[in-house]
Amino acid sequence: QQQVKQSPQSLIVQKGGISIINCAYENTAFDYFPWYQQFPGKGPALLIAIRPDVSEKKEGRFTISFNKSAKQFSLHIMDSQPGDSATYFCAASSAGNQFYFGTGTSLTVIP
Amino acid sequence: GAGVSQSPRYKVAKRGQDVALRCDPISGHVSLFWYQQALGQGPEFLTYFQNEAQLDKSGLPSDRFFAERPEGSVSTLKIQRTQQEDSAVYLCASSLEKFTEQFFGPGTRLTVL
Repeated sequence: QQQVKQSPQSLIVQKGGISIINCAYENTAFDYFPWYQQFPGKGPALLIAIRPDVSEKKEGRFTISFNKSAKQFSLHIMDSQPGDSATYFCAASSAGNQFYFGTGTSLTVIP
Repeated sequence: GAGVSQSPRYKVAKRGQDVALRCDPISGHVSLFWYQQALGQGPEFLTYFQNEAQLDKSGLPSDRFFAERPEGSVSTLKIQRTQQEDSAVYLCASSLEKFTEQFFGPGTRLTVL
């Protein structure tokens, strides 16, 4: 059973556009929600993370929106650039334990 | 470098062979995690160490999988009698403490023929 459901599976965005990736979860014990970026042949790298006591967190062009009541969170990439082309994973964890990852979104930013 | 390193980066094994995958975490990191990432999927948890203690091995798919971290630093994931379904990228991650950011290594891509 997938603990974290991620959509879309793939996304194509024009340079300068906004990329939006969505995730949903069921386990209300989750208390940490990171987003990871992965390039081919590399391990995932932390982009941005949020805890459920805030509804939004912004770091540069990356924003997480968090809706606790709906059990959903999303990643927004503003002014998307070709260098942002990668696979993005949302994840969730509880009390510092293992991460449950989504299935990933392959983002392609067209110049 | 100061990151998590893994070796080998690529491993090809014949079905039935035993393999050993190594993870060198960031120095001083207490927590160490192993994940399995199938092609086109997100990483899935295998096991977790805090120092040398293996606190959670609930994700290990069978008793052919074994992990150790005897001195609380380097960890080895061993797979006995490899099967084709074991083909995946095996990722190691470490964190300073249990509740802090996990840093991932580049992974070992295992192909079982």
